[in-house]
Amino acid sequence: DTAVSQTPKYLVTQMGNDKSIKCEQNLGHDTMYWYKQDSKKFLKIMFSYNNKELIINETVPNRFSPKSPDKAHLNLHINSLELGDSAVYFCASSHGGRETQYFGPGTRLLVL
Amino acid sequence: SQELEQSPQSLIVQEGKNLTINCTSSKTLYGLYWYKQKYGEGLIFLMMLQKGGEEKSHEKITAKLDEKKQQSSLHITASQPSHAGIYLCGAEPSGTYKYIFGTGTRLKVLA
Repeated sequence: DTAVSQTPKYLVTQMGNDKSIKCEQNLGHDTMYWYKQDSKKFLKIMFSYNNKELIINETVPNRFSPKSPDKAHLNLHINSLELGDSAVYFCASSHGGRETQYFGPGTRLLVL
Repeated sequence: SQELEQSPQSLIVQEGKNLTINCTSSKTLYGLYWYKQKYGEGLIFLMMLQKGGEEKSHEKITAKLDEKKQQSSLHITASQPSHAGIYLCGAEPSGTYKYIFGTGTRLKVLA
């Protein structure tokens, strides 16, 4: 069974569209994260949720809106996609905010 | 500025050789994590170090955290092609509650 899963794995879309990426974890963790990995493989945190509450919100455009319907899910919705949004987005989860994080396989987003 | 610097940025070694990757922070760290990422895949957790001077090993990979908790090294003994990938260190600078990653080290092992 996959511990942290993301859908879709690949996403190709036009500029200006709105898209969502879903993340689910079956590890029973209470903290979930979204990271963005750019073309240089630099990984940067975007959001962190603990028990469905937002605890970290880095300098991310408000076109990005995370939603956590329950502790096992953290979805990422992106409005008005721009070329610069092209990247790999990783979801991760942990048991508490300072424990080992387990990563999903990533969603490769390409904005044309 | 990048708070976690890794060196080298890339490394190509012959199978069987030993190698070391370094991760340096300008701030004291609460904890230091090492991950491996294969091309097109997610990150795989390798090891976590929390105490100054701590050292952990798993198979042929050993990681150490210095006494000041600002530098860590990852050492691979007798490297194999299966060790190839991108190695990333991740950490939370003390008091920040923000998780950051290093710049990554791309390792290639030639058979």
